[in-house]
Amino acid sequence: NAGVMQNPRHLVRRRGQEARLRCSPMKGHSHVYWYRQLPEEGLKFMVYLQKENIIDESGMPKERFSAEFPKEGPSILRIQQVVRGDSAAYFCASSPDGGGYTFGSGTRLTVV
Amino acid sequence: QKEVEQNSGPLSVPEGAIASLNCTYSDRGSQSFFWYRQYSGKSPELIMFIYSNGDKEDGRFTAQLNKASQYVSLLIRDSQPSDSATYLCAVQTGAGSYQLTFGKGTKLSVIP
Repeated sequence: NAGVMQNPRHLVRRRGQEARLRCSPMKGHSHVYWYRQLPEEGLKFMVYLQKENIIDESGMPKERFSAEFPKEGPSILRIQQVVRGDSAAYFCASSPDGGGYTFGSGTRLTVV
Repeated sequence: QKEVEQNSGPLSVPEGAIASLNCTYSDRGSQSFFWYRQYSGKSPELIMFIYSNGDKEDGRFTAQLNKASQYVSLLIRDSQPSDSATYLCAVQTGAGSYQLTFGKGTKLSVIP
């Protein structure tokens, strides 16, 4: 039973490029969450999705960030025109029912 | 603004001792409480969750919840060097979103 799969593990982007982070939830899990962890900071909620629906995006920056969880395929967190301040670890988590999450191994984004 | 506060530490305890980690939260509507362990450079791993006032034990771990005082704690008995990690307290209001609000974590160091 594979866990939450995230890729890539490490991503380097130049300022102004786009970053696409992918997350496949655990089998049987229909709830997906994205969190961001800045250096020396706690995990911050970004967005909560179920298949084809964004349930709560209250933690998403208003510009440049978007997320989707299509009917088929992984959830995608997309960051357009990246800036140095976007450098962080981005964690995806999934749950079957909104309870305790299982986190993926994360994507470490570095903007140079 | 929902807040979860933890002492950043580091908290140092000798091997075999009891480690006590504390967390307070601001939102009285919070319903579910989680403790995650995060090793450096790794993803958070769920250790325990608690919903009701009182104690909940699982092996060497005991979670304690006092909703009146808005306080939740984690005790680790017979601490081992492998317990050295950052412990994250997380709170969920359960108001339809299931997002977690995390503290910044307490760094625990178990000295052999």
